[in-house]
Amino acid sequence: AQRVTQPEKLLSVFKGAPVELKCNYSYSGSPELFWYVQYSRQRLQLLLRHISRESIKGFTADLNKGETSFHLKKPFAQEEDSAMYYCALSPTGGADKLVFGKGTKLTVNP
Amino acid sequence: GAVVSQHPSRVICKSGTSVKIECRSLDFQATTMFWYRQFPKQSLMLMATSNEGSKATYEQGVEKDKFLINHASLTLSTLTVTSAHPEDSSFYICSARDRVSNTGELFFGEGSRLTVL
Repeated sequence: AQRVTQPEKLLSVFKGAPVELKCNYSYSGSPELFWYVQYSRQRLQLLLRHISRESIKGFTADLNKGETSFHLKKPFAQEEDSAMYYCALSPTGGADKLVFGKGTKLTVNP
Repeated sequence: GAVVSQHPSRVICKSGTSVKIECRSLDFQATTMFWYRQFPKQSLMLMATSNEGSKATYEQGVEKDKFLINHASLTLSTLTVTSAHPEDSSFYICSARDRVSNTGELFFGEGSRLTVL
């Protein structure tokens, strides 16, 4: 069975500080990993996916198959980064069936 | 970007009644839509995959007779909660993938909050 674990429900940092949101997964095959973000009063939206290898809004995430992790990082957090972040896994190799973690609420304080 | 719209955004109903929630892809066609359920402070749980023109595929533990899904067109999927009970109160979210662009990105609706009294 697939499982996505986000160990931190809440994460609070100060503006300008580095931030790392942890995500670990359990899946025997080759999954595709995603980070979705939900800003206050907005819908869930894609932040980034591991196969794209891009940096979106200063965020990056590297898939570490050895550690089965896909941590989300940003070197200098901004107040507008405050949101709910969900790590998700697709076992089919596409974005069809997503298994979500429980989410981490990031608060960036001024 | 692509937009997915859900209606209604909030609904309150009496126990025993049925409630229909619509999910529309506004500017793209979606052969597949997904219905999720989210309990307070919990993650999104996939309920079913809605396939245009065919039967929905339900996840284990989801009662298909309880949660009826119809995907009659490339832009509309509906979820009907039949004979709703208070334990069905939840936040229901749909998502869809653009069959043409095939970027793999899922677009989410704003969600529908169901409260069963």
